[in-house]
Amino acid sequence: DADVTQTPRNRITKTGKRIMLECSQTKGHDRMYWYRQDPGLGLRLIYYSFDVKDINKGEISDGYSVSRQAQAKFSLSLESAIPNQTALYFCATSDLWGGELFFGEGSRLTVL
Amino acid sequence: TQLLEQSPQFLSIQEGENLTVYCNSSSVFSSLQWYRQEPGEGPVLLVTVVTGGEVKKLKRLTFQFGDARKDSSLHITAAQPGDTGLYLCAGVTPAGTYKYIFGTGTRLKVLA
Repeated sequence: DADVTQTPRNRITKTGKRIMLECSQTKGHDRMYWYRQDPGLGLRLIYYSFDVKDINKGEISDGYSVSRQAQAKFSLSLESAIPNQTALYFCATSDLWGGELFFGEGSRLTVL
Repeated sequence: TQLLEQSPQFLSIQEGENLTVYCNSSSVFSSLQWYRQEPGEGPVLLVTVVTGGEVKKLKRLTFQFGDARKDSSLHITAAQPGDTGLYLCAGVTPAGTYKYIFGTGTRLKVLA
């Protein structure tokens, strides 16, 4: 089983719908991150969390919210999806500051 | 907003050729990481460089961190089709901010 698991892997939805992407990890890491990937733009940080009570906005947090339900679970929500939120979303974890990031396999979201 | 610019964005070369990918920023980073991403998967760490001027070698791959810790390069000697993929650099911001800022990515295709 993968150390970092994202669900769903693929989702097609309509404008205005609420969407939740879920991430769970078995690595025991405190730090978790949500990124979105768009062609030519690399990975951009949406939100990050250093523990259950510590959640921080990244570079592109507008239109997104997160919930850290437990050390192992970090969910990303789009309250009212719009087409320009169509992207590949990645969850990642790390233990030490500056250490390796471990990524899930990604969730591809299409907003029509 | 901190930015990491990678160049070139795309690179298509013949097997056996050498290539260099550049990662540049106006910001100082505490360390710089390089990841490779295959289709349908999350990025996987190749190397971390920490000290300004540091050079690390990983088989045919050579990574260098700039003296001022603002830029980095990845050199591949005698490229092989197995090197094909998306290469991403990531700067780790200094203490107090704790973020991983990703570059725009270089898509490499090595033709047999």
